Formats: sequence, C-alpha cells, structure tokens
Amino acid sequence: GDSVTQMEGPVTLSEEAFLTINCTYTATGYPSLFWYVQYPGEGLQLLLKATKADDKGSNKGFEATYRKETTSFHLEKGSVQVSDSAVYFCALRIETSGSRLTFGEGTQLTVNP
Amino acid sequence: DGGITQSPKYLFRKEGQNVTLSCEQNLNHDAMYWYRQDPGQGLRLIYYSQIVNDFQKGDIAEGYSVSREKKESFPLTVTSAQKNPTAFYLCASSTDRYSGNTIYFGEGSWLTVV
Repeated sequence: GDSVTQMEGPVTLSEEAFLTINCTYTATGYPSLFWYVQYPGEGLQLLLKATKADDKGSNKGFEATYRKETTSFHLEKGSVQVSDSAVYFCALRIETSGSRLTFGEGTQLTVNP
Repeated sequence: DGGITQSPKYLFRKEGQNVTLSCEQNLNHDAMYWYRQDPGQGLRLIYYSQIVNDFQKGDIAEGYSVSREKKESFPLTVTSAQKNPTAFYLCASSTDRYSGNTIYFGEGSWLTVV
C-alpha cells in the first residue's frame, strides 16, 4: 500500500541553522505531496505542496522538490527561527486510495535561540 | 470567516459511554475526513466521505461511526466498543477528490476516558 517515511526526530537546531527533514514515499500511482505543520495543541496547517514531478513547493522560507526518481520530498529551510518550532508531517494524496492523506510519523523540530 | 469548526475542544468520557464529536464546515467542500492522532504519532484515518449520504471506512474504523446527512456536517461517534479512545481527533475537508487539492484541518478535539 501507499506509505510515507520521515526521518526520525526529534531535531534540535540553533537559530539561523540550516534545516533538512527527509521524506520518502511509496505509492502505486502518481501522488500529490504535502508538508503540514502542527503547533502544540492545534490542528494541522498546510505548509507547502507539489502535485507533479520536479515541482517545487515553497512557503515562509521552506522549500521541497518532488523527486520522482528518488521518490522523495525533503523539506528544507536555509535559516530557521525559534517560531519554526513545531511538528512537521509529510503526506501524500492519491485518488486511487480514496483521495485521503497518508501521513508520515511526524518530525518534532525545536529551535533554540 | 470560512473554515472547519470542531466541538467540543475537550471532552471527557466515562467507560461504556458513547460520545459524539461535531465537525461543521462552511467551505462548501464535498469531501470530509476524520483522523485520530495519538501522542507523538502520526495521523490515522478513521472514516471519510466523498459526498453527502455516502461514507467509507478508513484504516481504524472499528468502534467508531459517522453520518453525512448534510454537506456541511460530518459528526463522529466514539462508541463503547472503542477500547482505547483517548486521543486527539481531527476533522478535515477538501473541495473534491482530486489529489492536488489541499485538505484543510480543524483545530481538533481532545477526548479523554475517565
């Protein structure tokens, strides 16, 4: 079945450090890929998405490129801030699986001043 | 403002009781979803509905029930058959089933068994 694998956390960085959170997927068709962010006690907010191979999603300084050849969608940010501390979820959506989101386990990011 | 409203935010359930979590959206979305999140874990799909008067089981439907009588409403009932219901429940919706469209989430409901 479809699945998403994220790098294990938690991840702790200093402010202004470079961030990479790895995400790879397995899917039977051609999924759309998403990154969501969750702040403590809240629901999920869409961070960025890409709907086809080689697309780059970007938002608030975060970027991720849909790499079909490596089935990856790694999240990057050049300079993290304390306010980026949250849990990040990689997910895929594919119409052959009822069009629901399939999530990775999530990666807890803590950014220290 | 348009959005997804879940209520209550916090709910306590006694052993053997059924409880219902409300989810209402005013986004005119066709598709709605219920996910369960356990501490430190990812999200698992309970039920989903692509259109009014129709719904399908997700990966962990046992002990739960839903209805979709109105387009804007998708309530989730946690029955006494659900053995470990303490969790964070998230409702979501999307315009339709096209995979490139975003699924939006509500703020969630915390359910605790006492």
